[in-house]
Amino acid sequence: AQSVSQHNHHVILSEAASLELGCNYSYGGTVNLFWYVQYPGQHLQLLLKYFSGDPLVKGIKGFEAEFIKSKFSFNLRKPSVQWSDTAEYFCAVNPPAGNNRKLIWGLGTSLAVNP
Amino acid sequence: GAVVSQHPSRVICKSGTSVKIECRSLDFQATTMFWYRQFPKKSLMLMATSNEGSKATYEQGVEKDKFLINHASLTLSTLTVTSAHPEDSSFYICSARDPGRGDHTEAFFGQGTRLTVV
Repeated sequence: AQSVSQHNHHVILSEAASLELGCNYSYGGTVNLFWYVQYPGQHLQLLLKYFSGDPLVKGIKGFEAEFIKSKFSFNLRKPSVQWSDTAEYFCAVNPPAGNNRKLIWGLGTSLAVNP
Repeated sequence: GAVVSQHPSRVICKSGTSVKIECRSLDFQATTMFWYRQFPKKSLMLMATSNEGSKATYEQGVEKDKFLINHASLTLSTLTVTSAHPEDSSFYICSARDPGRGDHTEAFFGQGTRLTVV
C-alpha cells in the first residue's frame, strides 16, 4: 500500500547535537511534502513545505529539509537542536492530483532534547 | 496566518450520549475541511473530508452513522460522535486549507478536542 514512512520513532539528543529525521514516501508522480511539529499541549504547526523548485527548503526555527526525488525522501534536519525543539514531528505527503488534497501522514517521531 | 479554531478542547461524556465538536475557520472561508483522529503515540488518521453544502466523504472503515459531519457554512464544520462508547475516546483534530492562498498552501489545524467517554 502507498504510504509515508518515518524511520525514527523516538529520538533523544543533547542540546547542540545535530538532528536528522527520515521520511520516505511511496507515491509516484508529483507530490507536495510537509513537515509539521506538535509541541506538548499545542496544535500542529507547519515547519516547512515543498511544492517545487529548490529541493532544499528552509523552514522556521532553523529547520530545513531536502527533497530527493530519486530516493522518494524528504528528510528533516537541524544543525543544532535546542531544548525547546522537544516535540512530535510528522511528515506528510499530499499525493498526486485526484486525491482531494488529502494529506497522508507518517507515524511521527518523538524528539526529546536534554538540556 | 490563517487560524482554525476547534471547540471544545476537552469533553467528557457518558457512554451512550452524543458529542458535537465544532471546527471554525476564523479568517478565511473553507469549502473543504478534514477531520482526523489521533491515537496516543500514533499518527493522524483521516476520518473524513467535510464538503460545504454536500455530503462528507468518509475514509474506509469509518462509520458515517457513528461520526456525523455537517459542513453547513463556509466557516463551520461539525463532527458529532453519536452514541459514544469508551473506545471512541481519542483526540480529534480538524484542519482546513485557505483556498484564497492558491493551490500551494499548507493545511491549518485546530487545537484538537480530547474526548473521553466514561
